[in-house]
Amino acid sequence: GENVEQHPSTLSVQEGDSAVIKCTYSDSASNYFPWYKQELGKRPQLIIDIRSNVGEKKDQRIAVTLNKTAKHFSLHITETQPEDSAVYFCAASASLGAGNMLTFGGGTRLMVKP
Amino acid sequence: GAGVSQTPSNKVTEKGKYVELRCDPISGHTALYWYRQSLGQGPEFLIYFQGTGAADDSGLPNDRFFAVRPEGSVSTLKIQRTERGDSAVYLCASSLSYLDEQFFGPGTRLTVL
Repeated sequence: GENVEQHPSTLSVQEGDSAVIKCTYSDSASNYFPWYKQELGKRPQLIIDIRSNVGEKKDQRIAVTLNKTAKHFSLHITETQPEDSAVYFCAASASLGAGNMLTFGGGTRLMVKP
Repeated sequence: GAGVSQTPSNKVTEKGKYVELRCDPISGHTALYWYRQSLGQGPEFLIYFQGTGAADDSGLPNDRFFAVRPEGSVSTLKIQRTERGDSAVYLCASSLSYLDEQFFGPGTRLTVL
């Protein structure tokens, strides 16, 4: 089955700096890569996703890049703000017509210091 | 509109007891997923429903776990003979179709004493 590794497990940055979180996956059939933000005690919320037919996607301060050859994808947050502090999870799935079951990484705790 | 809801928000039970956890997906969403999240870890897939049928239950850890979705909307996750290792947050997610974004519920925190 799919295996997703996520690094780093914790990341501390100064407000205004950039943050980068990296994930690798094992199943070459995976074609959907979402990123979720989870605040303490709250539900995971999708912040951005990318499908395997594109290499990069941006949404304001957030961008995701995908390298299918190397089987890794990354989340980039620019101009970080204290409200970006949360746990971020990457995930991968192979939506082949039989469901879109997500395999999650272990999470990255991002702390943005004011 | 209303998001995914789950009840109860917290459930404390004793080892060996039976529990039921409920998920109300977003109206019209045909795909429904159950995940389990242990402390400090990412969610782990349990079971996927497309409509009323369990299309993939490969993530259920053993036969003490069972889930139903009889009318293609509300789903119930049932755990028999609970064990302390079952303690976790059980998350439900729904999507319009299996290709679409999954929206998560707030989860049920299960504690088995």
